[in-house]
Amino acid sequence: AQKVTQAQTEISVVEKEDVTLDCVYETRDTTYYLFWYKQPPSGELVFLIRRNSFDEQNEISGRYSWNFQKSTSSFNFTITASQVVDSAVYFCALSDNNAGNMLTFGGGTRLMVKP
Amino acid sequence: DAGVTQSPTHLIKTRGQQVTLRCSPKSGHDTVSWYQQALGQGPQFIFQYYEEEERQRGNFPDRFSGHQFPNYSSELNVNALLLGDSALYLCASSFRSGASTDTQYFGPGTRLTVL
Repeated sequence: AQKVTQAQTEISVVEKEDVTLDCVYETRDTTYYLFWYKQPPSGELVFLIRRNSFDEQNEISGRYSWNFQKSTSSFNFTITASQVVDSAVYFCALSDNNAGNMLTFGGGTRLMVKP
Repeated sequence: DAGVTQSPTHLIKTRGQQVTLRCSPKSGHDTVSWYQQALGQGPQFIFQYYEEEERQRGNFPDRFSGHQFPNYSSELNVNALLLGDSALYLCASSFRSGASTDTQYFGPGTRLTVL
């Protein structure tokens, strides 16, 4: 069985602060994929990143960076110099070979960036 | 390049009624997945369609059924609506390349309210 836990239900920061969203996952499979999606108030889930279990390199994309650590089963997401437009609910998701193409989502973290 | 589209945007039904939601995948995609997102929670996988067949199913009763058409578009049908069916229904499309997990891109969702 696969599971994704996002312990932080809500985070509030002031603009320009750095913020890290935590994601811990559980799977018995050795081949799996991890995802982050952003859900703004409009409701549409916006794809941010996909990572496979064999690639532990950290990734940076502009103000976004991701830290994948298999040893702790974590895939954390950091926003540097946060902006008001970053306010949204962020979801971490997992899919493994047993699940096929099915995504298992965490409960989400609501990020509020105040001006 | 058109993204995933869903219709209608909002829907209000009463208990016991039936509803049909529609989804058109992103250009070039051949697989459609449906998710239910209750308020304040992460999306839950309902089922996935590929080559006009249901390939995977989550933990949802038979009241939830679907269909995929030759042009890859899809419908989600829910019979005998319950109050608990009130949720945002998200459609996601992907290209089935043979890999265990392809990135899913989501539509804006249909907000269903059951009174």
